[in-house]
Amino acid sequence: GAGVSQSPRYKVAKRGQDVALRCDPISGHVSLFWYQQALGQGPEFLTYFQNEAQLDKSGLPSDRFFAERPEGSVSTLKIQRTQQEDSAVYLCASSYRGSGNTIYFGEGSWLTVV
Amino acid sequence: AQSVAQPEDQVNVAEGNPLTVKCTYSVSGNPYLFWYVQYPNRGLQFLLKYITGDNLVKGSYGFEAEFNKSQTSFHLKKPSALVSDSALYFCAVRVLTGGFKTIFGAGTRLFVKA
Repeated sequence: GAGVSQSPRYKVAKRGQDVALRCDPISGHVSLFWYQQALGQGPEFLTYFQNEAQLDKSGLPSDRFFAERPEGSVSTLKIQRTQQEDSAVYLCASSYRGSGNTIYFGEGSWLTVV
Repeated sequence: AQSVAQPEDQVNVAEGNPLTVKCTYSVSGNPYLFWYVQYPNRGLQFLLKYITGDNLVKGSYGFEAEFNKSQTSFHLKKPSALVSDSALYFCAVRVLTGGFKTIFGAGTRLFVKA
């Protein structure tokens, strides 16, 4: 597609439920990023892939968070046993290889844990 | 520590007047700097970036930014504000860590009054 696509756009989960958020990057983009954005705040880095390799996962807040990109294209962010503090917008972004390249964001997945 | 700061939570300007949204950074090595804009319930949209070259960078929607190495600043500017420019603006810096990730400021909300 023309842009980064994320699904679902909105998700309401009961506390303790597992959720999976999907990201389909721009075609040809080898780098993929996940960010967490709390209401009114800047995006916080979670993790980064280059192709299928997860090169940096330093921003994942706990071992309940797990991301994968098995074929180097679509990525899934999984949150196990969700808690209320996990409520946020989860943004996916992608770019071509290279540190000077612009990263382009999807519309985000809004997660509310009740 | 590598970081980016946006000292103003909110900027108010009258339509037709020039606007400035401030950003300062702290990185080791040469900085790669970015500005993004976010409209309500939307993802982040790329405005402009500085990698190297001219200190004045021109971007989308008439925005420009000036890189100042001695002051470690990258302020966003526009000669004549529009009501439709009202949005949340994020400054960001690229950090090289084996791979690379982008660190975002907390954001500045711009209000343009008619």
